[in-house]
Amino acid sequence: GQQVMQIPQYQHVQEGEDFTTYCNSSTTLSNIQWYKQRPGGHPVFLIQLVKSGEVKKQKRLTFQFGEAKKNSSLHITATQTTDVGTYFCAGLDVGGNNRKLIWGLGTSLAVNP
Amino acid sequence: SAVISQKPSRDICQRGTSLTIQCQVDSQVTMMFWYRQQPGQSLTLIATANQGSEATYESGFVIDKFPISRPNLTFSTLTVSNMSPEDSSIYLCSVELAGDYEQYFGPGTRLTVT
Repeated sequence: GQQVMQIPQYQHVQEGEDFTTYCNSSTTLSNIQWYKQRPGGHPVFLIQLVKSGEVKKQKRLTFQFGEAKKNSSLHITATQTTDVGTYFCAGLDVGGNNRKLIWGLGTSLAVNP
Repeated sequence: SAVISQKPSRDICQRGTSLTIQCQVDSQVTMMFWYRQQPGQSLTLIATANQGSEATYESGFVIDKFPISRPNLTFSTLTVSNMSPEDSSIYLCSVELAGDYEQYFGPGTRLTVT
């Protein structure tokens, strides 16, 4: 079945450094979504990418969707302590009776002040 | 977006008992999902609950163990039956709003089975 791999599993940075997490799918994705989960919290939707080669920005966060719609990345410029949490990518699977998200394992980001 | 509440927020239960988790949404939604998440791990989809049809379960999850109700477009319940310590986890419900594919999550129910 469809799988979404995400690396790295953990990343520890100094405040002000950049951070990137990468997602790779075994198959072409209809779209890819990114979520952030703060420690003790629930996943919160960040963004959805639909088009091949799409790039979207949210302040210090830049999201990219690969040309083949099989990979994606989230880049954070100049990390802050508020960026701490686990970032998940999730690919939309429209096969079968119901559409569902295929979740990556997540990248846990720690930021040293 | 949508506001989603879950009850209970946490519970400690004895093995062999059952717990029903409620999920309430502040707007009508077609698709609701139930997930399980172990601390520090990713989300595992248990089932998709659409109003007016039976829930669709993912591989490894069965209706006898995790019965789901979806009586209307704003409410769903997940029951964890005949619990064992392996069922200790965080259970999350989420919804997909019409026209969008993104999901919005409830705060979760932290279940501990002793």
